[in-house]
Amino acid sequence: KAGVTQTPRYLIKTRGQQVTLSCSPISGHRSVSWYQQTPGQGLQFLFEYFSETQRNKGNFPGRFSGRQFSNSRSEMNVSTLELGDSALYLCASTYDGGRNQPQHFGDGTRLSIL
Amino acid sequence: GDSVTQMEGPVTLSEEAFLTINCTYTATGYPSLFWYVQYPGEGLQLLLKATKADDKGSNKGFEATYRKETTSFHLEKGSVQVSDSAVYFCALCTSGTYKYIFGTGTRLKVLA
Repeated sequence: KAGVTQTPRYLIKTRGQQVTLSCSPISGHRSVSWYQQTPGQGLQFLFEYFSETQRNKGNFPGRFSGRQFSNSRSEMNVSTLELGDSALYLCASTYDGGRNQPQHFGDGTRLSIL
Repeated sequence: GDSVTQMEGPVTLSEEAFLTINCTYTATGYPSLFWYVQYPGEGLQLLLKATKADDKGSNKGFEATYRKETTSFHLEKGSVQVSDSAVYFCALCTSGTYKYIFGTGTRLKVLA
Protein backbone atom coordinates (compact mmCIF):
# COMPACT_ATOMS: atom_id res chain seq x y z
CA LYS A 1 0.00 0.00 0.00
CA ALA A 2 1.56 3.27 -1.08
CA GLY A 3 2.15 5.84 1.63
CA VAL A 4 1.39 9.54 1.66
CA THR A 5 3.08 11.23 -1.28
CA GLN A 6 4.07 14.88 -1.25
CA THR A 7 5.41 16.83 -4.20
CA PRO A 8 7.71 18.51 -4.76
CA ARG A 9 10.29 17.48 -2.14
CA TYR A 10 12.15 20.78 -2.31
CA LEU A 11 11.25 24.29 -3.40
CA ILE A 12 13.17 27.52 -3.48
CA LYS A 13 11.19 30.71 -3.89
CA THR A 14 11.73 34.42 -3.36
CA ARG A 15 9.74 36.82 -1.22
CA GLY A 16 6.43 37.87 -2.71
CA GLN A 17 5.99 34.79 -4.86
CA GLN A 18 3.35 32.17 -4.33
CA VAL A 19 3.67 28.39 -4.10
CA THR A 20 1.43 25.33 -4.36
CA LEU A 21 2.23 22.07 -2.62
CA SER A 22 0.54 18.76 -3.37
CA CYS A 23 -0.38 15.77 -1.23
CA SER A 24 -1.79 12.38 -2.21
CA PRO A 25 -3.10 10.45 0.80
CA ILE A 26 -2.99 6.73 1.38
CA SER A 27 -5.56 4.99 -0.80
CA GLY A 28 -8.90 4.93 1.02
CA HIS A 29 -8.00 7.77 3.38
CA ARG A 30 -10.32 10.74 3.11
CA SER A 31 -8.97 13.07 5.79
CA VAL A 32 -5.92 15.14 4.95
CA SER A 33 -4.14 17.49 7.37
CA TRP A 34 -1.32 19.95 6.78
CA TYR A 35 1.37 21.06 9.21
CA GLN A 36 4.25 23.50 9.23
CA GLN A 37 7.38 22.18 10.96
CA THR A 38 10.12 24.56 12.09
CA PRO A 39 13.00 23.96 14.51
CA GLY A 40 11.69 26.34 17.14
CA GLN A 41 7.95 25.75 16.92
CA GLY A 42 7.65 22.04 16.25
CA LEU A 43 4.58 21.02 14.24
CA GLN A 44 1.94 23.69 13.81
CA PHE A 45 -1.48 22.64 12.49
CA LEU A 46 -2.54 24.45 9.34
CA PHE A 47 -5.86 22.85 8.32
CA GLU A 48 -7.75 19.61 7.83
CA TYR A 49 -9.94 18.53 4.92
CA PHE A 50 -12.50 15.77 4.57
CA SER A 51 -14.71 15.20 1.54
CA GLU A 52 -13.54 18.47 -0.01
CA THR A 53 -14.56 20.45 3.11
CA GLN A 54 -12.26 22.23 5.53
CA ARG A 55 -13.32 21.12 9.00
CA ASN A 56 -10.70 22.91 11.09
CA LYS A 57 -7.90 25.37 10.66
CA GLY A 58 -5.01 26.63 12.75
CA ASN A 59 -3.85 30.13 13.54
CA PHE A 60 -2.19 31.08 10.29
CA PRO A 61 -2.77 34.17 8.16
CA GLY A 62 -5.09 34.06 5.18
CA ARG A 63 -2.09 33.77 2.87
CA PHE A 64 -2.19 30.07 3.69
CA SER A 65 -5.02 28.24 1.98
CA GLY A 66 -5.84 24.76 0.88
CA ARG A 67 -8.30 22.61 -0.94
CA GLN A 68 -9.18 18.97 -1.42
CA PHE A 69 -10.34 17.26 -4.56
CA SER A 70 -12.94 14.54 -5.03
CA ASN A 71 -10.20 11.88 -5.13
CA SER A 72 -9.01 13.11 -1.67
CA ARG A 73 -5.80 14.61 -3.04
CA SER A 74 -5.07 17.95 -1.44
CA GLU A 75 -3.15 21.08 -2.31
CA MET A 76 -1.85 23.84 -0.11
CA ASN A 77 -1.15 27.34 -1.40
CA VAL A 78 0.89 30.10 0.18
CA SER A 79 0.71 33.53 -1.42
CA THR A 80 2.97 36.55 -0.98
CA LEU A 81 5.74 34.46 0.52
CA GLU A 82 7.71 35.82 3.47
CA LEU A 83 11.11 34.77 4.80
CA GLY A 84 9.40 33.29 7.86
CA ASP A 85 7.50 30.83 5.67
CA SER A 86 10.69 28.80 5.22
CA ALA A 87 9.84 25.44 6.77
CA LEU A 88 9.12 21.79 6.20
CA TYR A 89 5.47 21.37 5.22
CA LEU A 90 4.02 18.02 6.16
CA CYS A 91 0.86 16.35 4.99
CA ALA A 92 -0.83 13.54 6.91
CA SER A 93 -3.83 11.35 6.22
CA THR A 94 -6.27 9.18 8.14
CA TYR A 95 -9.39 7.29 7.14
CA ASP A 96 -11.84 9.92 8.43
CA GLY A 97 -10.02 12.03 11.05
CA GLY A 98 -11.44 10.23 14.07
CA ARG A 99 -9.54 10.80 17.29
CA ASN A 100 -8.34 7.20 17.63
CA GLN A 101 -6.72 7.10 14.21
CA PRO A 102 -2.99 7.82 14.06
CA GLN A 103 -1.92 10.12 11.28
CA HIS A 104 0.24 8.79 8.46
CA PHE A 105 2.77 11.38 7.35
CA GLY A 106 4.44 12.08 4.05
CA ASP A 107 8.11 13.00 3.82
CA GLY A 108 7.28 16.67 3.45
CA THR A 109 8.08 19.54 1.14
CA ARG A 110 10.99 21.70 2.25
CA LEU A 111 10.31 25.28 1.27
CA SER A 112 13.13 27.81 1.33
CA ILE A 113 12.44 31.51 0.83
CA LEU A 114 15.30 33.70 -0.37
CA GLY B 1 -7.34 25.56 23.79
CA ASP B 2 -5.80 22.11 23.78
CA SER B 3 -2.03 21.91 24.26
CA VAL B 4 0.86 19.49 24.75
CA THR B 5 3.98 20.23 26.78
CA GLN B 6 7.12 18.14 26.41
CA MET B 7 10.36 18.29 28.29
CA GLU B 8 13.03 20.35 26.60
CA GLY B 9 15.86 18.55 24.93
CA PRO B 10 18.30 17.49 23.90
CA VAL B 11 18.49 14.43 26.09
CA THR B 12 21.82 12.63 25.95
CA LEU B 13 22.12 9.12 27.37
CA SER B 14 24.59 6.26 27.29
CA GLU B 15 23.56 3.01 25.64
CA GLU B 16 21.46 0.76 27.95
CA ALA B 17 20.39 3.70 30.12
CA PHE B 18 16.77 4.19 31.20
CA LEU B 19 14.80 6.78 29.26
CA THR B 20 11.92 8.98 30.35
CA ILE B 21 10.54 11.79 28.21
CA ASN B 22 7.84 13.73 30.00
CA CYS B 23 4.62 14.80 28.30
CA THR B 24 1.65 16.57 29.85
CA TYR B 25 -1.46 17.84 28.15
CA THR B 26 -4.50 20.04 28.53
CA ALA B 27 -7.66 19.20 26.64
CA THR B 28 -11.25 20.36 26.80
CA GLY B 29 -12.58 16.99 25.71
CA TYR B 30 -11.42 13.39 26.01
CA PRO B 31 -8.29 13.03 23.88
CA SER B 32 -6.44 10.14 22.37
CA LEU B 33 -2.69 10.36 22.98
CA PHE B 34 0.18 9.50 20.67
CA TRP B 35 3.95 9.36 20.53
CA TYR B 36 5.58 9.88 17.14
CA VAL B 37 9.25 9.47 16.27
CA GLN B 38 11.33 11.15 13.58
CA TYR B 39 14.62 9.40 12.84
CA PRO B 40 17.39 11.40 11.14
CA GLY B 41 16.53 11.97 7.49
CA GLU B 42 13.18 10.21 7.78
CA GLY B 43 9.54 11.20 8.11
CA LEU B 44 7.36 11.17 11.20
CA GLN B 45 6.03 7.76 12.15
CA LEU B 46 3.73 6.54 14.87
CA LEU B 47 5.52 4.94 17.80
CA LEU B 48 2.58 4.13 20.07
CA LYS B 49 -0.86 5.34 21.11
CA ALA B 50 -3.45 5.12 23.89
CA THR B 51 -7.10 6.01 23.51
CA LYS B 52 -8.52 5.92 27.04
CA ALA B 53 -7.44 6.40 30.64
CA ASP B 54 -5.07 3.77 32.06
CA ASP B 55 -4.36 2.35 28.59
CA LYS B 56 -0.71 1.48 28.02
CA GLY B 57 0.70 1.86 24.54
CA SER B 58 3.85 -0.08 23.70
CA ASN B 59 6.13 -0.66 20.71
CA LYS B 60 9.82 -1.44 20.12
CA GLY B 61 10.45 -1.57 23.88
CA PHE B 62 8.89 1.87 24.45
CA GLU B 63 5.89 2.29 26.73
CA ALA B 64 3.58 5.11 27.78
CA THR B 65 0.54 5.04 30.08
CA TYR B 66 -2.46 7.38 29.70
CA ARG B 67 -2.82 9.04 33.13
CA LYS B 68 -6.00 11.07 33.23
CA GLU B 69 -5.55 12.14 36.85
CA THR B 70 -2.19 13.75 36.13
CA THR B 71 -2.92 14.56 32.45
CA SER B 72 0.32 12.88 31.46
CA PHE B 73 1.63 10.43 28.88
CA HIS B 74 5.32 9.97 29.67
CA LEU B 75 7.43 7.88 27.30
CA GLU B 76 9.76 5.27 28.84
CA LYS B 77 12.23 2.68 27.69
CA GLY B 78 14.24 0.45 29.96
CA SER B 79 17.41 0.21 27.89
CA VAL B 80 18.06 2.61 25.00
CA GLN B 81 20.18 1.82 21.97
CA VAL B 82 22.16 4.07 19.65
CA SER B 83 19.49 3.38 17.02
CA ASP B 84 16.89 5.11 19.23
CA SER B 85 18.53 8.47 18.56
CA ALA B 86 15.74 10.56 17.07
CA VAL B 87 13.26 13.33 17.82
CA TYR B 88 10.19 12.25 19.78
CA PHE B 89 6.85 14.09 19.59
CA CYS B 90 3.90 13.74 21.94
CA ALA B 91 0.50 14.52 20.41
CA LEU B 92 -3.21 14.47 21.16
CA CYS B 93 -6.46 14.49 19.24
CA THR B 94 -9.83 15.29 20.77
CA SER B 95 -13.06 13.90 19.37
CA GLY B 96 -14.82 16.20 16.93
CA THR B 97 -11.92 18.61 16.45
CA TYR B 98 -10.17 16.77 13.57
CA LYS B 99 -7.04 18.48 14.81
CA TYR B 100 -3.89 16.89 16.17
CA ILE B 101 -1.87 18.99 18.61
CA PHE B 102 1.84 18.23 18.80
CA GLY B 103 4.45 19.06 21.39
CA THR B 104 7.63 20.79 20.27
CA GLY B 105 9.60 17.54 20.20
CA THR B 106 12.44 16.17 22.32
CA ARG B 107 15.71 15.24 20.67
CA LEU B 108 17.32 12.08 22.07
CA LYS B 109 20.96 11.25 21.47
CA VAL B 110 22.26 7.88 22.61
CA LEU B 111 26.02 7.42 22.88
CA ALA B 112 27.77 4.07 22.44
